[in-house]
Amino acid sequence: DVQLTQSPSFLSASVGDRVTITCRASQGINNLLAWYQQRPGKAPKLLIYAASTLQSGVPSRFSGSGSGTEFTLTISSLQSEDFATYYCQQLNTYPVTFGPGTKVDI
Amino acid sequence: EVQLVESGGGLVQPGGSLRLSCAVSGFIFRSNWMSWVRQTPGKGLEWVASINQDGAKILYVESVKGRFTISRDNAQNSLYLQMDSMRAEDTAIYYCATLKNYGMEVWGQGTTVTVSS
Repeated sequence: DVQLTQSPSFLSASVGDRVTITCRASQGINNLLAWYQQRPGKAPKLLIYAASTLQSGVPSRFSGSGSGTEFTLTISSLQSEDFATYYCQQLNTYPVTFGPGTKVDI
Repeated sequence: EVQLVESGGGLVQPGGSLRLSCAVSGFIFRSNWMSWVRQTPGKGLEWVASINQDGAKILYVESVKGRFTISRDNAQNSLYLQMDSMRAEDTAIYYCATLKNYGMEVWGQGTTVTVSS
């Protein structure tokens, strides 16, 4: 199985901050990496797919980059509604796997 | 409006069975791969199973093989997860979601399953 690790696991930030989250895969995943945002009590929401493509309707302050086995999610200017947990996911190989999550908090 | 609504969760004893349903509206269900994903505080998000458009291709995570069965009824715009021989470690919130090769685009609100005596 492809293992995904995320760093940091917890991030304390303020409104307006630039935030970067890293996701590392245990093997190459052909850039078939997605990022999700999950607010408390809600389902995950797709933000980024194919490592760097912004899902329709997602604000442009979110961006994704990376290739091979290392990927990043960047929020250019954190807004209050962005305080949530973020997960990466690989879809290159079954079983589909998720990272453990990064909680972004105040 | 695209909507996925799960139902069927509840409390079940170890070894028991439960059938989850996911009612879909607002998009062409029969054209989409579908998946079940579960979430626990301890293990985070875990993909459980996927099914292709006509039900001919089905995939499961190793831990549920032989115990869970994913199925769909395109005429009823519904997805199902039959869970048998349930274990405490199956306790989770279960989500249905559309599956593209690039990600899970639409999710339901989830249904809670608790396996306990």
